Amino acid sequence: KAGVTQTPRYLIKTRGQQVTLSCSPISGHRSVSWYQQTPGQGLQFLFEYFSETQRNKGNFPGRFSGRQFSNSRSEMNVSTLELGDSALYLCASSLTGTSGYQETQYFGPGTRLLVL
Amino acid sequence: GESVGLHLPTLSVQEGDNSIINCAYSNSASDYFIWYKQESGKGPQFIIDIRSNMDKRQGQRVTVLLNKTVKHLSLQIAATQPGDSAVYFCAENSNGNKLVFGAGTILRVKS
Repeated sequence: KAGVTQTPRYLIKTRGQQVTLSCSPISGHRSVSWYQQTPGQGLQFLFEYFSETQRNKGNFPGRFSGRQFSNSRSEMNVSTLELGDSALYLCASSLTGTSGYQETQYFGPGTRLLVL
Repeated sequence: GESVGLHLPTLSVQEGDNSIINCAYSNSASDYFIWYKQESGKGPQFIIDIRSNMDKRQGQRVTVLLNKTVKHLSLQIAATQPGDSAVYFCAENSNGNKLVFGAGTILRVKS
């Protein structure tokens, strides 16, 4: 079974631009979560989508948004990029993400975003 | 203010020795814990998990111990190999699929 895939793998943008990152979960997985990884802050939860609805959200500004499609694929968008948004953006999927029952999350390789 | 970069602790072990990586978690309501391994240029890879109704779980060459009294988690790797060199993260989960990660520990295996 193929793992979580993310595209693109690397991206360079300039301040003020916006960016869209894509994630395809493991086949059959319906919950997709996004995380930001930086040397300064470590791994931080952005948001989680299940059945095309955002179910959980971390402490990030509104410039960070996402969506999920009917096939469970997910995208995240960052508008008005800042230098501090340079990070590795990781997507993780789990089977059902049934509320109250935690399931193993499997991570993709990430998208490395550099903001200049 | 100026952000302070995370300074990851490093554990150096000789090939063939056992490794123990420790983690203190923050939320007493967390009831699911996971260890991930992250190699350079890759995403975190699942190693082993444990639920709060257990205090020990074993996998292939790995054992996770959970002490809820002191909110402590440890990962033991038996017969450590060069391929085990990576950054290891513990993660806790108390709310749906929102994982809270520890800062990580660098494991270096000397041949």
